[in-house]
Amino acid sequence: DIQMTQSPSTLSASVGDRVTITCRASQSISSWLAWYHQKPGKAPKLLIYKASTLQSGVPSRFSGSGSGTEFTLTISSLQPDDFATYYCQHYNSYPWTFGQGTKVEIK
Amino acid sequence: EVQLVQSGAEVKKPGESLKISCKVSGYRFTSFWIAWVRQMPGKGLEWMGVIYPGDSDTKYSPSFQGQVTISADESITTAYLQWNSLKASDTGMYFCARREGSSHMSFWGQGTLVTVSS
Repeated sequence: DIQMTQSPSTLSASVGDRVTITCRASQSISSWLAWYHQKPGKAPKLLIYKASTLQSGVPSRFSGSGSGTEFTLTISSLQPDDFATYYCQHYNSYPWTFGQGTKVEIK
Repeated sequence: EVQLVQSGAEVKKPGESLKISCKVSGYRFTSFWIAWVRQMPGKGLEWMGVIYPGDSDTKYSPSFQGQVTISADESITTAYLQWNSLKASDTGMYFCARREGSSHMSFWGQGTLVTVSS
């Protein structure tokens, strides 16, 4: 199985901050990576797919980059609605796997 | 409008069986894979498996193979996740989600909370 490792596990930031989350795959997954965020008690919401393609309706302050084994999710200016837990997930091959999550907290 | 509506919360005892559902609407049911994802209390997301309702082709994560059964009923556009003998460790929230082609999961159900306790 391909292992996905996110860093950091927790991130404290303020509104307006630029935030970057990293996701590493244990082997190459090309660009077959998605990013989601999730708020407590809610379903995950797709933000980015194919490593850098913004899902329709997602604000442009979100961006994704990377290929192979190293990926990043960047929020250019953190907004109050962005405090949530973020997950990366590969779909290169079965079984798909998620990273362990990065919780973005209010500083 | 694409919708995935899951069945309600369940409280079961260890050893009991359970089948939860994911009713879809707003698109052709047989043309998109449906995935199931587990989230144990306070933990992250775990991909369990996926089914293609068009031909019932099913893939399971090794962690869940033999522990659950994923199925679909085309006549009522509903996907299912089933346990034959629940354990306390099956307690968690379970989500269904639509897969886009051979790609990511875009539309998600609201989740079904399963509690297994004696």
